[in-house]
Amino acid sequence: GQSLEQPSEVTAVEGAIVQINCTYQTSGFYGLSWYQQHDGGAPTFLSYNALDGLEETGRFSSFLSRSDSYGYLLLQELQMKDSASYFCAVRAPGNQFYFGTGTSLTVIP
Amino acid sequence: SAVISQKPSRDICQRGTSLTIQCQVDSQVTMMFWYRQQPGQSLTLIATANQGSEATYESGFVIDKFPISRPNLTFSTLTVSNMSPEDSSIYLCSVATPGTGELFFGEGSRLTVL
Repeated sequence: GQSLEQPSEVTAVEGAIVQINCTYQTSGFYGLSWYQQHDGGAPTFLSYNALDGLEETGRFSSFLSRSDSYGYLLLQELQMKDSASYFCAVRAPGNQFYFGTGTSLTVIP
Repeated sequence: SAVISQKPSRDICQRGTSLTIQCQVDSQVTMMFWYRQQPGQSLTLIATANQGSEATYESGFVIDKFPISRPNLTFSTLTVSNMSPEDSSIYLCSVATPGTGELFFGEGSRLTVL
C-alpha cells in the first residue's frame, strides 16, 4: 500500500520562506512530485524528484531523500497567490501516482 | 503537455441513478487515470484505464460501482453507478508525461448526489 503524510495546515508571512514536508511509505517508488491546487481548480504540477537532492524551479524547490523516505517543497519569496493546497505524490512502479494528505498554505500580509 | 476536457463540469444527481463522465485528451496516451477528491480531502486514485484492456482498480474501488471504458488512445469514460450521497465528490481525469512525474488534469466533474 501507499501512505504519504503531510502537515495539514501551514501559515506564513508574505515574502518569507516556507517548507512543506512529506514522508512516505510505499511498496515501490520511482519519484516524488509536488502539486498546487487552488480552491475550485485542478491540481497543477510544480516539481519532481527521481533522485536524491534538490531541484530548483524559480521560487519553488523540492528535495528528496530516498533513504529517509522524505521530501519537502520549499517556497521562497511567498506571495499572496501562493495560498493554496499543496500535495506530494509518489510515482509508483506501475506509473500510477498516489497523493499525500495535502497541506493548506495560508499566506498572510 | 496535454489538454484534457471533462464533461460534465458539474451535475446534481438523485440517489440510485448513474452518471457517466467523459474525458477527452488532445494527444494519444497509453494510460489515463481517474481520481476522486472528496470535499476538503486529497486525491484518491480510483483506477487506471489502459486502451485495449480492462481497467486496473485500486483497493476499495470495484468495476460494478465505477465501470470504465477506454475505446481509444484519446478518450475514456467513468461511470458512477447507483449513486449515494457518499459519492458526492470531484472526479478528475488525468494523464502523465511518460517517464516523468508530471500529471495533467482535467478541470474535474463536481457531482452532488441528493
